[in-house]
Amino acid sequence: GAGVSQSPRYKVAKRGQDVALRCDPISGHVSLFWYQQALGQGPEFLTYFQNEAQLDKSGLPSDRFFAERPEGSVSTLKIQRTQQEDSAVYLCASSLVLSSGNQFFGPGTRLTVL
Amino acid sequence: TQLLEQSPQFLSIQEGENLTVYCNSSSVFSSLQWYRQEPGEGPVLLVTVVTGGEVKKLKRLTFQFGDARKDSSLHITAAQTGDTGLYLCAVLVSGGYNKLIFGAGTRLAVHP
Repeated sequence: GAGVSQSPRYKVAKRGQDVALRCDPISGHVSLFWYQQALGQGPEFLTYFQNEAQLDKSGLPSDRFFAERPEGSVSTLKIQRTQQEDSAVYLCASSLVLSSGNQFFGPGTRLTVL
Repeated sequence: TQLLEQSPQFLSIQEGENLTVYCNSSSVFSSLQWYRQEPGEGPVLLVTVVTGGEVKKLKRLTFQFGDARKDSSLHITAAQTGDTGLYLCAVLVSGGYNKLIFGAGTRLAVHP
């Protein structure tokens, strides 16, 4: 497809379950970002990849959050032992070059932890 | 304290009205971006402003960057129902790459 895609679009998890959220960036885009958007808030930065290298994970809220991009394209955000406060929309964005200010966002995955 | 304060939080108007939303900060930025986010979708970039005092127009939308590059406004003329959505301002934090810091947004509802 032409844009960033994310799956699943919706995920309901019981507290304590592990979840994995997938992002397919635009083909050829070097940079990939994950953001977390809580209800009624703007997106907040979680982590950044340049190709397969995770260069910034300063926004990950705890060590239960883990992200990878092993081949420099598809990325997965994993949350272990989910908690209710993890409920949010998780957005993925990609950009073509390192210094580009133009990030293209996917539709997000809405995670609800019961 | 948020780096970017957006006001108002919510705005409900009738089709055809004009409106202005604001994005304020005490910090100086080299550039600022505006996004629109519709329900169930990711934010979509509307404009980037880079020069103090700059005014950019996108059809019925007028964006202004403050002279001191600390604040910005978005004015919509003759709002339409299709303008409904969450309007977010954001700044790029450089460091070899550009991560975005967003405000909390203004949620706009335009009623027919």
